[in-house]
Amino acid sequence: HLQLQESGPGLVKPSETLSLTCAVSGASISNSNYYWGWIRQPPGKRLEWIGSVFYSGTTQYSPSLESRVSISLDRSKNQLSLRMTSVTAADTAVYYCAKGPFFLELRFAFDDWGQGILVAVSS
Amino acid sequence: EIVLTQSPGTLSLSPGQRATLSCRASHIVTSNSLAWYQQKPGQAPSLIINAASSRATGIPDRFSGSGSGTDFTLTISRLEPEDFAVYYCHQYGSSPLTFGGGTKVEIK
Repeated sequence: HLQLQESGPGLVKPSETLSLTCAVSGASISNSNYYWGWIRQPPGKRLEWIGSVFYSGTTQYSPSLESRVSISLDRSKNQLSLRMTSVTAADTAVYYCAKGPFFLELRFAFDDWGQGILVAVSS
Repeated sequence: EIVLTQSPGTLSLSPGQRATLSCRASHIVTSNSLAWYQQKPGQAPSLIINAASSRATGIPDRFSGSGSGTDFTLTISRLEPEDFAVYYCHQYGSSPLTFGGGTKVEIK
């Protein structure tokens, strides 16, 4: 049974860097049949895709966040990480990590999600 | 970027009634790569429909998805008490991946 668990600070100061990790159990992040993503949801707002990483380490990012975001895989710990620089109050949100199937170079919808972690940006 | 517009914003219905939710895309969704999620307060989204019309594992057959191109529909044939939630459509065929604004299905 696959499980994803986000962790990191719940409070980050403006202009600082947000760093989150997502521990994966029940599956290998190096499995070529999966890809991984980070999605966030500001309070009372819609879901927003931040970016994805494939088993090869290839990444894709939202254009609106690309200049501030990086996603990486740590194969030794079987986890993925999110790093977002220069945060502002607009980055306050619940951050989710998720897994999606990846077959024949096609991705499918995220079918497993972590419980999410609320990150507030405030001084 | 493909913008997804969901309507209505809120649907007020009674248990046993039929719910019809709409998702319209600003551009054609590649390979009908359109999913629907259910989200309850304080919980992560849960996948209910993949590839426009395929029910996810364990999803009851009262949920059905249809549509292609730019117009997609989620239908709940007979609402059960546990179905009252927010529903989001999501396109994953083109980067950047995008989500709709959600439809809240509330008890009338």
